[in-house]
Amino acid sequence: GDSVTQMEGPVTLSEEAFLTINCTYTATGYPSLFWYVQYPGEGLQLLLKATKADDKGSNKGFEATYRKETTSFHLEKGSVQVSDSAVYFCALRSTGGGNKLTFGTGTQLKVEL
Amino acid sequence: GAVVSQHPSWVICKSGTSVKIECRSLDFQATTMFWYRQFPKQSLMLMATSNEGSKATYEQGVEKDKFLINHASLTLSTLTVTSAHPEDSSFYICSARKAGVSTDTQYFGPGTRLTVL
Repeated sequence: GDSVTQMEGPVTLSEEAFLTINCTYTATGYPSLFWYVQYPGEGLQLLLKATKADDKGSNKGFEATYRKETTSFHLEKGSVQVSDSAVYFCALRSTGGGNKLTFGTGTQLKVEL
Repeated sequence: GAVVSQHPSWVICKSGTSVKIECRSLDFQATTMFWYRQFPKQSLMLMATSNEGSKATYEQGVEKDKFLINHASLTLSTLTVTSAHPEDSSFYICSARKAGVSTDTQYFGPGTRLTVL
């Protein structure tokens, strides 16, 4: 079955540091890939997505590239801010799977001054 | 925007009692709502998909008689945990998909923390 593996947290960084949160997946076919972010006390929000191999999703300075050869969708940001502190979820939706999303366990990011 | 609320945000109940969790789409109509649960340090697991006016579709391994889902209107779905036991303690999250829109984006609620004593 489909699965998503992402690095365990918490990840603690200083402001302006470079961020990478690793995500790898297992799925049949050509899934769509997503990163969601959950700020404290709020619901998950779609951060970015990519629907086919080599696509790059980007939003708010975050980027992730769909790498089919390594089945990865790592999240990166060049310079994090304190306001980026949140939990980040990697997810996939398989082809033919309707709207069913398969999530990773989430990675908590803490950014300190 | 597309805001989804959940009520309550947290609840503590005694073993054997039933608990109802509400999921509302505040500024849009939702033909489809999804219910997830999350255990500590584990991923969100889809429990069921509910469509307005019809029976919910449950994922394999989810007891439909224990987790009753009602989607009576285009803005409200409820999840009732019947005869709750400590193993039902979890974080329950709903999401909603907009009616009449081709996008498959889901909008998530903030979650409800259930603790069964």
